[in-house]
Amino acid sequence: LAKTTQPISMDSYEGQEVNITCSHNNIATNDYITWYQQFPSQGPRFIIQGYKTKVTNEVASLFIPADRKSSTLSLPRVSLSDTAVYYCLVGALTGGGNKLTFGTGTQLKVEL
Amino acid sequence: EPEVTQTPSHQVTQMGQEVILRCVPISNHLYFYWYRQILGQKVEFLVSFYNNEISEKSEIFDDQFSVERPDGSNFTLKIRSTKLEDSAMYFCASQLAGDSYEQYFGPGTRLTVT
Repeated sequence: LAKTTQPISMDSYEGQEVNITCSHNNIATNDYITWYQQFPSQGPRFIIQGYKTKVTNEVASLFIPADRKSSTLSLPRVSLSDTAVYYCLVGALTGGGNKLTFGTGTQLKVEL
Repeated sequence: EPEVTQTPSHQVTQMGQEVILRCVPISNHLYFYWYRQILGQKVEFLVSFYNNEISEKSEIFDDQFSVERPDGSNFTLKIRSTKLEDSAMYFCASQLAGDSYEQYFGPGTRLTVT
């Protein structure tokens, strides 16, 4: 499993774009990059998954450079309700059930 | 929108007692998981379940733990003889297909062992 490194915490203000970068220097060819969000006392929630270049959905964008050694989760125009822990996970799909290995994540705090 | 449900939301039990945590995954999902999170710590994988059998388990998932999908809708986690260190939030998750990491988590059961 590729080791991931992400900032412990980040602060932002409502309406700003937030970019959280995750480093995964030893990512393998078959590995995918996935981001989850977790609010206190709730289960994690899937945000986005990608393999290369850029992926966008209604919630976020995921930017992956050509060497894939890092990735950036971009949250457009955050609000107070985006205050949560964000996890970057890296791993290969096995087809037989894909366990999630969570790190400590990035605590994002959004203020007025 | 379909969701994963878990019962009870909070369970208090005495050390050495058996507990069963229940989950109802999303109905057409094929892969099922249990995770736990001790207060203030990381979310930890316990076990994955597919095609009516365990597909992977972690070191935490020892002989005191078992899982079952008894009736095609419920997915249960049993802890035979609880220890103080089993106190944690237990999350059930389900996944539609094996070609992604998109898992749907339930709200969790807070287990307190006294």
